[in-house]
Amino acid sequence: GENVEQHPSTLSVQEGDSAVIKCTYSDSASNYFPWYKQELGKRPQLIIDIRSNVGEKKDQRIAVTLNKTAKHFSLHITETQPEDSAVYFCAASSGGSYIPTFGRGTSLIVHP
Amino acid sequence: SAVISQKPSRDICQRGTSLTIQCQVDSQVTMMFWYRQQPGQSLTLIATANQGSEATYESGFVIDKFPISRPNLTFSTLTVSNMSPEDSSIYLCSVRPDDSSGYTFGSGTRLTVV
Repeated sequence: GENVEQHPSTLSVQEGDSAVIKCTYSDSASNYFPWYKQELGKRPQLIIDIRSNVGEKKDQRIAVTLNKTAKHFSLHITETQPEDSAVYFCAASSGGSYIPTFGRGTSLIVHP
Repeated sequence: SAVISQKPSRDICQRGTSLTIQCQVDSQVTMMFWYRQQPGQSLTLIATANQGSEATYESGFVIDKFPISRPNLTFSTLTVSNMSPEDSSIYLCSVRPDDSSGYTFGSGTRLTVV
């Protein structure tokens, strides 16, 4: 089955800095890669996703890149703000099964 | 995207008892996923529920402990049976309506077993 590794487990940055979270996956059939933000006590919320036919996608301060050859994808947050502090999860799934595999999560702390 | 109503939001239960968690989706979906999330941990898939067939359980999870019902395409229940303190966790349901959508989660059920 699919295996998703996520790094780092904790990331501490100063407000205004950039943050990068990286994930690798094992199943070359995976074609959908979402990122979720989970604030304390709340449900995971989709923030951005990318499909295997695209190399990069941006949405304001957030971007995701995908390298299918190397089987890794990354989340980039620019100009971080304290409200970006949360746990971020990456995931991978293949179109056939729809069953996602989640990474272990990255706790992002943005210091004012 | 789909909207999921999950209840109860929290409960405190005595060991040895059972709790049934419900998820109602505002649209028809083929697959519904049930997760457990320990504090500070990732999402662990318990099982995938399809309408009209038995749920598919992940390694480490069995039907006797976590029976699932899926009577139609908008509703599912997960029961946590014969609970012990180790079952204390957050349980979430999730759906992905179609290829153009991401996964949507219910608000979660925070279960404490005493």
